[in-house]
Amino acid sequence: DIQMTQSPSSLSASEGDRVTVTCRASQTVNRNLNWYQQKPGKAPKLLIYTVSNLQSGVPSRFSGSGSGTDFTLTISSLQPEDCATYYCQQTYTTPLTFGGGTTVEIK
Amino acid sequence: EVQLVESGGGLVQPGGSLRLSCAASGFTFSNYWMLWVRQAPGKGLVWVSRLNGDGSTITYADSVRGRFTISRDNAKNTVFLQMSSLRAEDTAVYYCARAPHGGYVDSWGQGTQVTVSS
Repeated sequence: DIQMTQSPSSLSASEGDRVTVTCRASQTVNRNLNWYQQKPGKAPKLLIYTVSNLQSGVPSRFSGSGSGTDFTLTISSLQPEDCATYYCQQTYTTPLTFGGGTTVEIK
Repeated sequence: EVQLVESGGGLVQPGGSLRLSCAASGFTFSNYWMLWVRQAPGKGLVWVSRLNGDGSTITYADSVRGRFTISRDNAKNTVFLQMSSLRAEDTAVYYCARAPHGGYVDSWGQGTQVTVSS
């Protein structure tokens, strides 16, 4: 199975800050890497698919990059509504696996 | 508008069975892969199973293979997860999800709680 490791597991930043979340795969996933946002008590929401494609309706302050085994989710200017847990997911091969999550809070 | 509505969750004893349903609307159901993803209390997301549009290609996570069965009824726009030999570690919120190409999920249901406890 491909293991997905996210870092950090949590972070606290100020409104307007640039925030970066990293996801590392235990082996290559090519460009089959996606990002989700989940708020407490809610279903996850797709943010970015295949590394850098922004899902319809997602604010442009979210972006993704990377390839192979190392990927990044960036929030260019953190907003209060971005407080959530973020998960990466590889869809290169089954079992489809998720990272452990990164919880983002506002200072 | 895409809608996925799960039902069938509840409290079940270890070793018991439960059948989850997910009613889909707002899109051409038979054109899409459907997935089940679960989330234990306070934990992360875990993929459980998926099947393609005509139900001919099915995959399971190792943790549920042989105990869970995914299926679909395209005439009723519904996907199912039949769960048997349930264990305490199966306790989770189960999400039904739509995956355009069998991978990333672009729509999620609201989730249904499954609790396995005596």
